[in-house]
Amino acid sequence: AQSVAQPEDQVNVAEGNPLTVKCTYSVSGNPYLFWYVQYPNRGLQFLLKYITGDNLVKGSYGFEAEFNKSQTSFHLKKPSALVSDSALYFCAVRAGDNNNDMRFGAGTRLTVKP
Amino acid sequence: DAGITQSPRHKVTETGTPVTLRCHQTENHRYMYWYRQDPGHGLRLIHYSYGVKDTDKGEVSDGYSVSRSKTEDFLLTLESATSSQTSVYFCATRGDETQYFGPGTRLLVL
Repeated sequence: AQSVAQPEDQVNVAEGNPLTVKCTYSVSGNPYLFWYVQYPNRGLQFLLKYITGDNLVKGSYGFEAEFNKSQTSFHLKKPSALVSDSALYFCAVRAGDNNNDMRFGAGTRLTVKP
Repeated sequence: DAGITQSPRHKVTETGTPVTLRCHQTENHRYMYWYRQDPGHGLRLIHYSYGVKDTDKGEVSDGYSVSRSKTEDFLLTLESATSSQTSVYFCATRGDETQYFGPGTRLLVL
């Protein structure tokens, strides 16, 4: 079965600095990769996905992620962090040929300080 | 959260009582999912549905059942709630290879 690891429980950055939230995955077959963000007392909001094509994926709110097949990674990045980016971020993966078994990482709490 | 509502949003119940959570979507999506969210575990799939009256088990299905009598509604039932089922429950639908989530139901089992 597929799995996701988010090695950092917490990431702290200063406003205006670049941010990276790390994700590595394990899957049999072609990976479908996703990033979601969760604000307090809210559901998960979709940020971006990689299905196929260009390894650099651009998503909502200025976020992007790079698919690296050799390192089995899909790190989330943003060139300049905002205080409003502070939230819980989840990486998720599923095998391309299994539409329903999506596995989530445990989440990374991002705190952006002014 | 657009197009997906969950009810109730909060519930407190006692051990041994049945509980039903409702998910309603207006997206006309074929696939629907129930997840639970617990600290340190991310989201884990409980059950999913791939059409009216078509459902299957997920990673943590023990103690839960589901039903889908209409495209827009997906019910999750805890037949006899236990304290280990205290959690936040999320419903999701799938469209365009992406899952979209409802606002969640916070359940406390005393």
